[in-house]
Amino acid sequence: QTVVTQEPSFSVSPGGTVTLTCGLSSGSVSTGYYPSWYQQTPGQTPRTLIYSTITRSSGVPDRFSGSILGNKAALTITGAQADDESDYYCVLYMGSGVWVFGGGTKLTVL
Amino acid sequence: QVQLQESGPGLVKPSETLSLTCTVSGGSFTSSSNSWGWIRQPPGQGLEWIGTVSSSGTSYSNPSLKSRVTISVDTSKNQFSLRLTSVTAADTAVYYCARFYWNDVSIDYWGQGALVTVSS
Repeated sequence: QTVVTQEPSFSVSPGGTVTLTCGLSSGSVSTGYYPSWYQQTPGQTPRTLIYSTITRSSGVPDRFSGSILGNKAALTITGAQADDESDYYCVLYMGSGVWVFGGGTKLTVL
Repeated sequence: QVQLQESGPGLVKPSETLSLTCTVSGGSFTSSSNSWGWIRQPPGQGLEWIGTVSSSGTSYSNPSLKSRVTISVDTSKNQFSLRLTSVTAADTAVYYCARFYWNDVSIDYWGQGALVTVSS
């Protein structure tokens, strides 16, 4: 079964830049998987940040950006703020109606 | 603005069937650009895709749950539903309903989530 991999945790200093990645247990992530990224703070509903690899959802600050880095999808936060401290999930569309979530990355801003 | 609201029992006994319904308001429920789906999150854990259904009734589900999952749609009520059979404590989770938007290939609207506990 396909496993989507994410770093379990990451930390960044306020004002710093961090890149979270989204990979596959077997193979490379490409734009054809339409990677999307979601932010979830504790007790809240997930919020869409990025879809189709690079497109920011409405209202998302431009310090959030998506890309493909090497064989993984990536979410970069430039100029991290305290309220960016959240869990971040990537999702890949595998085709044939199947979606797979990554395990999520817990981002600490300190 | 699309809004989704989950409803159903918050407590289900082991071996029984979990049933949830999602009511959608706003937007076009029957647009071919939309599928409607379920995602769950066990306490303290990550998100898991359960499955989706189109307004025409075509459904897909997570292979790890496939034999236990049924997702159906009622276009007359702008609702879709989840049935998960033979539940165990491992099925305790917050269950979200969501819109899967094909124009963006993303999950763009989420319900608030419904906590379902499996316990006797």
